Amino acid sequence: GQSLEQPSEVTAVEGAIVQINCTYQTSGFYGLSWYQQHDGGAPTFLSYNALDGLEETGRFSSFLSRSDSYGYLLLQELQMKDSASYFCAVRRAPSNDYKLSFGAGTTVTVRA
Amino acid sequence: DTGVSQNPRHKITKRGQNVTFRCDPISEHNRLYWYRQTLGQGPEFLTYFQNEAQLEKSRLLSDRFSAERPKGSFSTLEIQRTEQGDSAMYLCASSGTSGRENTGELFFGEGSRLTVL
Repeated sequence: GQSLEQPSEVTAVEGAIVQINCTYQTSGFYGLSWYQQHDGGAPTFLSYNALDGLEETGRFSSFLSRSDSYGYLLLQELQMKDSASYFCAVRRAPSNDYKLSFGAGTTVTVRA
Repeated sequence: DTGVSQNPRHKITKRGQNVTFRCDPISEHNRLYWYRQTLGQGPEFLTYFQNEAQLEKSRLLSDRFSAERPKGSFSTLEIQRTEQGDSAMYLCASSGTSGRENTGELFFGEGSRLTVL
C-alpha cells in the first residue's frame, strides 16, 4: 500500500513564505509531483522531482529527499491567487505509466 | 489551445439510476486516466487507457463501473445502479508525448460532479 502525509491547512499573509511538507510510504517510488487545485477547478501541475534536491520554478520551489521519503513545496512571495489546495503525488512506476497516488491535500489560505 | 473537456459538469441522479460521463482529452495525448475525488481528499486513481486499450483498473472500480475509449479518442465512464457512496467528482486526465513527458505531468479536466440522492 501507500500513504502520503501532508498538513491539512496552512494560513499565511500576502508576501509571506509557506512550506508544505509531504512524507510518503509507498511500494515503489519514481518521483514526487505537486499539483494546485483552486476551488471547483482542475488540478494543475506545478513541479516534479525525481532526484534529490531543489527544483525552482518562479515563486514556487520543490524539494525531494529520497532517503528520508520526504519532500516539500515552497511558495514564496504569497499572493491572494495562491489560495488553493496543494497536493503531493507519488509516481511509482519506472515506466511511462503516470498513475499517481495523491495525498489528501493542504489548503492554503492567503490573508491580506 | 483546447484542454481536457468533461461533460456533464454536474449530474444529480436518484439512487439506482445509471449515469455516463464523457471525457475529451487533449487531441495528441494517447494516455487517458479517470480519477475520483471526494471532498477534502486528493484524487484517487480509477483506470487508465493507452490509446483504446484499458491497461489498468483500480480495485475501487467495482463491477458497476465501466469505462471505454473507442478509437483511442474520447472516453466514457458509466456507473450503473448508482449508490449514494458514488457521489464524488470524477476527474479525467490525459498525457502524451509533450516536452514535459518525463515529469509525469497529467492534464486534468474540471471534472464531472455526481450527486446521488
